[in-house]
Amino acid sequence: DTEVTQTPKHLVMGMTNKKSLKCEQHMGHRAMYWYKQKAKKPPELMFVYSYEKLSINESVPSRFSPECPNSSLLNLHLHALQPEDSALYLCASSQAGVGGGETQYFGPGTRLLVL
Amino acid sequence: ILNVEQSPQSLHVQEGDSTNFTCSFPSSNFYALHWYRWETAKSPEALFVMTLNGDEKKKGRISATLNTKEGYSYLYIKGSQPEDSATYLCAFMRGSNYKLTFGKGTLLTVNP
Repeated sequence: DTEVTQTPKHLVMGMTNKKSLKCEQHMGHRAMYWYKQKAKKPPELMFVYSYEKLSINESVPSRFSPECPNSSLLNLHLHALQPEDSALYLCASSQAGVGGGETQYFGPGTRLLVL
Repeated sequence: ILNVEQSPQSLHVQEGDSTNFTCSFPSSNFYALHWYRWETAKSPEALFVMTLNGDEKKKGRISATLNTKEGYSYLYIKGSQPEDSATYLCAFMRGSNYKLTFGKGTLLTVNP
């Protein structure tokens, strides 16, 4: 099983809502990632978890709150988002071997619209 | 700020044509270069991870080369098929810190 699943596929939320994005993998990978992709731009790294610990936060605003409850799950909690946060949110995972230069496996993404 | 440049931005070829794209990246403190294939509404699919200068990798009709000293990688597709239509992304890793910096991609359209 080389699949990374993400739910929901689409999400529309207001600026006062609280919602969560979920990501799951069953490949035994110990590194998991959140990326954000705006239209016509490349994916940009937001967070990296390694062995369930946050190892990289790319200066992401606190209205985005990641959580890694176990080695298979990665959540992204959203609160008080702005319309400019509308984007495709991609989750990925990798083996977390030496240095992390191994293949990252991506989910299909959650398309988020903030009204 | 790391700049990863891909060219061309888009490409239209006829079925059966061979084609290639370029990825340019900073040559200092190189760790790895990734290539991904991304079809609309699907997950980005890993093609290659390249780490050594002079690396050449092949997967079916797709191959890639790497020059870390001058900071570029080429992706070649031999005998393009309509199902090869996708965006091809390269991503550069500087140092062993898990962080991939992506280029904007090359959108390939193969006409039957």
